Amino acid sequence: GENVEQHPSTLSVQEGDSAVIKCTYSDSASNYFPWYKQELGKRPQLIIDIRSNVGEKKDQRIAVTLNKTAKHFSLHITETQPEDSAVYFCAATSNTGKLIFGQGTTLQVKP
Amino acid sequence: NAGVTQTPKFRVLKTGQSMTLLCAQDMNHEYMYWYRQDPGMGLRLIHYSVGEGTTAKGEVPDGYNVSRLKKQNFLLGLESAAPSQTSVYFCASQELGAGKETQYFGPGTRLLVL
Repeated sequence: GENVEQHPSTLSVQEGDSAVIKCTYSDSASNYFPWYKQELGKRPQLIIDIRSNVGEKKDQRIAVTLNKTAKHFSLHITETQPEDSAVYFCAATSNTGKLIFGQGTTLQVKP
Repeated sequence: NAGVTQTPKFRVLKTGQSMTLLCAQDMNHEYMYWYRQDPGMGLRLIHYSVGEGTTAKGEVPDGYNVSRLKKQNFLLGLESAAPSQTSVYFCASQELGAGKETQYFGPGTRLLVL
């Protein structure tokens, strides 16, 4: 069935370093790939998304890259700050248009 | 504009009890979803609705029922709660149309089934 794999499950970086989270998807028809950030006890919130006709998208310190041939996409956070500490989820659309979420990555930014 | 709201925020049930979770959105969105979130498993779709009066099964529908009698409300029911249904439940809504795939989540409902 349709599946989204996300790695790593936990990631610890020093403040100021970069963080990279990777996801692979199984459905070649997927065309929308959002990333959500969820702070402890809060709701998931969209931080960036990319569509299949674009290879890269940036928004200040965060960027997402998409490789459709390899069916993987990545979230890049530069100059990490303690407030970036959260759980990050990737997702991809299924052939029914619904989102399939990855398992989540817990990012810890150490001051 | 409250966005997506959920009630209750937290509930404790005994095995076999029933309850209904309410999701409400004031953004006039067509699509609404119910997810459950468990550690290490991400968000899994329980049921969804593409419009008033319609519902469909998601990835993990067993043990749950839903209704969408009004466009702004999406109800999730547990007829006979089981400990395996202990989870955090999130509702989400989405506009209809190309380029409008963003889902907006509610604050969640924590459910503990003893």
